[in-house]
Amino acid sequence: DTEVTQTPKHLVMGMTNKKSLKCEQHMGHRAMYWYKQKAKKPPELMFVYSYEKLSINESVPSRFSPECPNSSLLNLHLHALQPEDSALYLCASSQDRRRGYEQYFGPGTRLTVT
Amino acid sequence: TQLLEQSPQFLSIQEGENLTVYCNSSSVFSSLQWYRQEPGEGPVLLVTVVTGGEVKKLKRLTFQFGDARKDSSLHITAAQPGDTGLYLCAGAKTFGNEKLTFGTGTRLTIIP
Repeated sequence: DTEVTQTPKHLVMGMTNKKSLKCEQHMGHRAMYWYKQKAKKPPELMFVYSYEKLSINESVPSRFSPECPNSSLLNLHLHALQPEDSALYLCASSQDRRRGYEQYFGPGTRLTVT
Repeated sequence: TQLLEQSPQFLSIQEGENLTVYCNSSSVFSSLQWYRQEPGEGPVLLVTVVTGGEVKKLKRLTFQFGDARKDSSLHITAAQPGDTGLYLCAGAKTFGNEKLTFGTGTRLTIIP
């Protein structure tokens, strides 16, 4: 099973809302990632978790707050977003950081900020 | 700075034709991956190549890693409409480095 699941599939939120994106994998992977992808662009790395600890934050604004409750789950909490934050948010996982070159992506959450 | 340049950026061909997509860099990568992404979906890992000169085949797709590990190519034989999508190469500078450098992407359309 090489599946990474993400919910919701689509999300529309106002700039004052608080929402969360969820990601789950059951492959026993110990590294998980959040990416942001704008239209016609490649994915941009936001955060990396390794063994449930945040290991990389690519200078992401604090209105994005990641959380890794356990080895299978990854959340991205959203608060006070801006319209320019509208994008496809992708979650990925890899066996561990050492095998981080082979990442398996979820289907993404299409976020629209109004 | 975009370290991985893909060409062509767009490609539209008839079903049954052959095509090659290129991924080039001035940097050396320890491994290179190819992904295919369909609209509104996440990228799907197609292959990983790690050895200079390595060739891997996946049905009608042939992937090659350059001898110097700076470039890669993807060749599709007898393209089918199901091959339509955005093809992304992605490189890892070193093993143990989970930060992938993504290519600029090639949007492929196969016309039935």
